[in-house]
Amino acid sequence: SQKIEQNSEALNIQEGKTATLTCNYTNYSPAYLQWYRQDPGRGPVFLLLIRENEKEKRKERLKVTFDTTLKQSLFHITASQPADSATYLCALDSYYNQGGKLIFGQGTELSVKP
Amino acid sequence: EAQVTQNPRYLITVTGKKLTVTCSQNMNHEYMSWYRQDPGLGLRQIYYSMNVEVTDKGDVPEGYKVSRKEKRNFPLILESPSPNQTSLYFCASSLLTQPHSPLHFGNGTRLTVT
Repeated sequence: SQKIEQNSEALNIQEGKTATLTCNYTNYSPAYLQWYRQDPGRGPVFLLLIRENEKEKRKERLKVTFDTTLKQSLFHITASQPADSATYLCALDSYYNQGGKLIFGQGTELSVKP
Repeated sequence: EAQVTQNPRYLITVTGKKLTVTCSQNMNHEYMSWYRQDPGLGLRQIYYSMNVEVTDKGDVPEGYKVSRKEKRNFPLILESPSPNQTSLYFCASSLLTQPHSPLHFGNGTRLTVT
């Protein structure tokens, strides 16, 4: 069955450093991959989308890579700030998904210390 | 402001007492979906709807019902709630015409069934 894995352990980094979060998937050929941010008690908020034929996508301090050979996406936040502290979810969809649904990873909690 | 609105935000009920969680979006989205989020299990899809009067089961539909009589509304109905339905629920919507269109989430409904 389709499976998505994100770092289950929280990631703690110092302000100003680059945070790197990992999303791995198996038994799956996603056409797109999305990253969301979720703050405690709130709904996820869309950040970035990357297509299978794109290697890298950037938006301000955010960068996403998509390696279909390794079946992995990396999510980078450069010059991290305490306000970046949140849980980050990766989600995959596919031409083969019924109902256009996204399959979500469990998320990685990021904590940026001043 | 474009948004998905869920009500109520918090709900405590007893086993067997029927309840409805409302969801409304003002973005004219065709696609709407309900998720539940549990620690260690991530976001799991309950039901989804591709358009008015079109609904289908997600991954965990047991114990839930939905209806889509109008494009903007997608209520979630628990006919006879049980304690294992205690969870954080999210409604989401997106444009169906773009398969990779990101999901817009509501702020969640925290349900406790005693």
